[in-house]
Formats: sequence, C-alpha cells, structure tokens
Amino acid sequence: KAGVTQTPRYLIKTRGQQVTLSCSPISGHRSVSWYQQTPGQGLQFLFEYFSETQRNKGNFPGRFSGRQFSNSRSEMNVSTLELGDSALYLCASSPDRGLFTGELFFGEGSRLTVL
Amino acid sequence: AQTVTQSQPEMSVQEAETVTLSCTYDTSENNYYLFWYKQPPSRQMILVIRQEAYKQQNATENRFSVNFQKAAKSFSLKISDSQLGDTAMYFCAFMRGSARQLTFGSGTQLTVLP
Repeated sequence: KAGVTQTPRYLIKTRGQQVTLSCSPISGHRSVSWYQQTPGQGLQFLFEYFSETQRNKGNFPGRFSGRQFSNSRSEMNVSTLELGDSALYLCASSPDRGLFTGELFFGEGSRLTVL
Repeated sequence: AQTVTQSQPEMSVQEAETVTLSCTYDTSENNYYLFWYKQPPSRQMILVIRQEAYKQQNATENRFSVNFQKAAKSFSLKISDSQLGDTAMYFCAFMRGSARQLTFGSGTQLTVLP
C-alpha cells in the first residue's frame, strides 16, 4: 500500500506570491490533516478535512486555506506569502472512525522557502 | 486547550544503553490518546508508540515502552538497547478523543553514540 504522498517536496517563492501544496492520502483514508513545522513555533495544526468538509481548524490566518476532493486528495493554499511562512508542511491521513486506532500516517512534507 | 511539554531539548545515549525521554501534558479531557512520534533526518514522522488514556497498562513496542502516569499527567518514553538508527527528533503528542488533531511538544533531539 502506498504511503502518503506530498508534492512538491521543495519549492521557493517570493513574498506576496501564493502557493498550493498537494497531498494524496493512503488509499482508503478519508481524513487528511495538515501541519506546519518551523524551528520557532514547532509543529502546529492547520486544519483537517474529511469527506470534502473541513472538520477542524487551527489558529492560522485566513491566508491559509485548504480543500479536499472526492478522491480524498487534499490541497492547501497560502496566499500573500510572508517570510514567516517558510516551513515544512506535513500532511497526515487516517482511516474512518471504525478503523481508527489513533495513528496518523504522515507524508515526507513539502519544504517551502519564502524569499 | 491542551499543552504538551518536553523539557529536554537534546539528549545523547551510548549504543546498547537505555534512555528515558520526558513529557508532561495538561488537559481537562478524559478521553484522549498520547503518542511518541519519531522524526529522523529524512523528515517523515513515524509513530513509535501509542497509549490510550483509559488503559492503565503501559504500552510497549519491542524496545520502546512508556511510563504513563495519568494523575501526574506524565508520559515518558524508555528506549532500551539503543541503536544508531534511533537517532532522531522525538515528539510527544496529544490527541483528544478521535479528533485527528495532534498537539505536539517541542521535541527532544536524541543522538545515539557509537
């Protein structure tokens, strides 16, 4: 079974631009959540999607948004990039409630650098 | 809101020795999970061990075991027979119920020395 796939792995943007990151969950997993990892703030929850609906949202400004498609693939978008948005963005998937054991399965992340 | 505290930013241990990583948390919830995740230099977060709050028995996974003290809100990880491949950042994490939202500690960088 393929793991969680995130694309792109690395990208460089300039301030003011926008970026879209993609996450393909493990086959059969319908929950996808996103995390931001920075040296200063550590790992912070961004949002979680299930069956194309946002179920939970962390404390991030509206510039951070996401969506989920009918095949459970998810994208997150950051608009008007700031230097502080430079981070590793991690995606994690998990199965439905009946099969959920608490474990989230993480991808390798997308490293965003904002210049 | 939940908080997770890891007070040891860095630790080292000799190969084959035992090391314990500390974690405390704060919550008013009764139904929750606690986790230790490992993030090696390759960056992929990997689950090491999981503990459900309602279970009194401490979880074990091969060389990894936890000491779960619910009243004290403490959740330490013991790694026995440390191996070079255990070198990684270790994160303690909390999940309320089945909310799929993890609250992470700040991490402990563990280095296993040959």
